[in-house]
Amino acid sequence: AQSVTQLDSHVSVSEGTPVLLRCNYSSSYSPSLFWYVQHPNKGLQLLLKYTSAATLVKGINGFEAEFKKSETSFHLTKPSAHMSDAAEYFCVVRTDNTGNQFYFGTGTSLTVIP
Amino acid sequence: EPEVTQTPSHQVTQMGQEVILRCVPISNHLYFYWYRQILGQKVEFLVSFYNNEISEKSEIFDDQFSVERPDGSNFTLKIRSTKLEDSAMYFCASSEWGRGNQLLYEQYFGPGTRLTVT
Repeated sequence: AQSVTQLDSHVSVSEGTPVLLRCNYSSSYSPSLFWYVQHPNKGLQLLLKYTSAATLVKGINGFEAEFKKSETSFHLTKPSAHMSDAAEYFCVVRTDNTGNQFYFGTGTSLTVIP
Repeated sequence: EPEVTQTPSHQVTQMGQEVILRCVPISNHLYFYWYRQILGQKVEFLVSFYNNEISEKSEIFDDQFSVERPDGSNFTLKIRSTKLEDSAMYFCASSEWGRGNQLLYEQYFGPGTRLTVT
């Protein structure tokens, strides 16, 4: 079975400080992992993805994530938060044995304080 | 940049009524999906569609649900007799491919349709 756990439902950071959004996954097979962001009244936008290539993945808007198999983690980071980063973030797993359906985490709401 | 569009953005219907949610996937994509998110819960997979037939479906996707690609651009989700518990945000997504080449199966999501059943 596969699942995704986002450890924090809400994260609040000050503008200019680092962002860390945590994600742990459970998968019996080699996973592909994604981070999506959802701004209010917008669709889900892909931030970055891991598909068994480099374990450190760089995405859009300065975000990156590191796949750590030993820790079954795929945490999302950004060195310096910007006001426009305030949104809902979803960690998503897809495993080869499940076809093409995605499994979503419950989401982390990021607030950026000016 | 190409994007997935969905209409309407918000649909209010009475219990027992039929609703059709519409989506226009990205034009060269081959796989299409529906997901839903009940308020306060996680996004859940409903169904995937390829080559004019259902590829996969979840337990949620029972006989009350159906999908169709009526023409070359639209992809629809029909709920035959809505229930209160069908109230949710419904997301459509599409991908260029679904299996094999891993680089091509990232899913592009639409903005969602909020369905409210009263």
